[in-house]
Amino acid sequence: DAGVIQSPRHEVTEMGQEVTLRCKPISGHNSLFWYRQTMMRGLELLIYFNNNVPIDDSGMPEDRFSAKMPNASFSTLKIQPSEPRDSAVYFCASSLASRANVLTFGAGSRLTVL
Amino acid sequence: DQQVKQNSPSLSVQEGRISILNCDYTNSMFDYFLWYKKYPAEGPTFLISISSIKDKNEDGRFTVFLNKSAKHLSLHIVPSQPGDSAVYFCAATDGAGSYQLTFGKGTKLSVIP
Repeated sequence: DAGVIQSPRHEVTEMGQEVTLRCKPISGHNSLFWYRQTMMRGLELLIYFNNNVPIDDSGMPEDRFSAKMPNASFSTLKIQPSEPRDSAVYFCASSLASRANVLTFGAGSRLTVL
Repeated sequence: DQQVKQNSPSLSVQEGRISILNCDYTNSMFDYFLWYKKYPAEGPTFLISISSIKDKNEDGRFTVFLNKSAKHLSLHIVPSQPGDSAVYFCAATDGAGSYQLTFGKGTKLSVIP
């Protein structure tokens, strides 16, 4: 397996623009997570899906953020409109539900909002 | 309020010596702990874990020690190798099956050849 695949790896955009980050989890993993990493706050869980259903979105910072998982092999994290404070590295991770905290992370998407 | 703290942002160790990375936590509900390792431009990878029913868990060169009364855990790497140079994250959760990980901010380990 190629691991968790994220795209784009780098995104530079201007304030107010829509940003869409994409993730392909490991085949057979039924849990999917979106994390955000910043210098100030470290790694924070944004949202957790189990079997494609959002279970916990309490970490999503505000309504500008939304995430979907239309099928077991694809998820998106969308920010609309983007703001400079959204600049961060966004990680997607997947795991087996039986070992939900043993995560396989993607390489991350580095977002810069000017 | 940081519930998981890694007070040393960085650590340098000579190749072949022991590396000790420390982690403190404040939440008494945490009973399962994990270490992740991260290389530049990659995502974190799972390294080792420990349950609160144990005080030690070993996997090859990596050993994690847990002191529940002090709310402290440490990761020992013996012997350290240049390939161990990475950022190490401590994480805690309230159950072995729980998805809710609280991460520390990481310690950057540099192993000097």
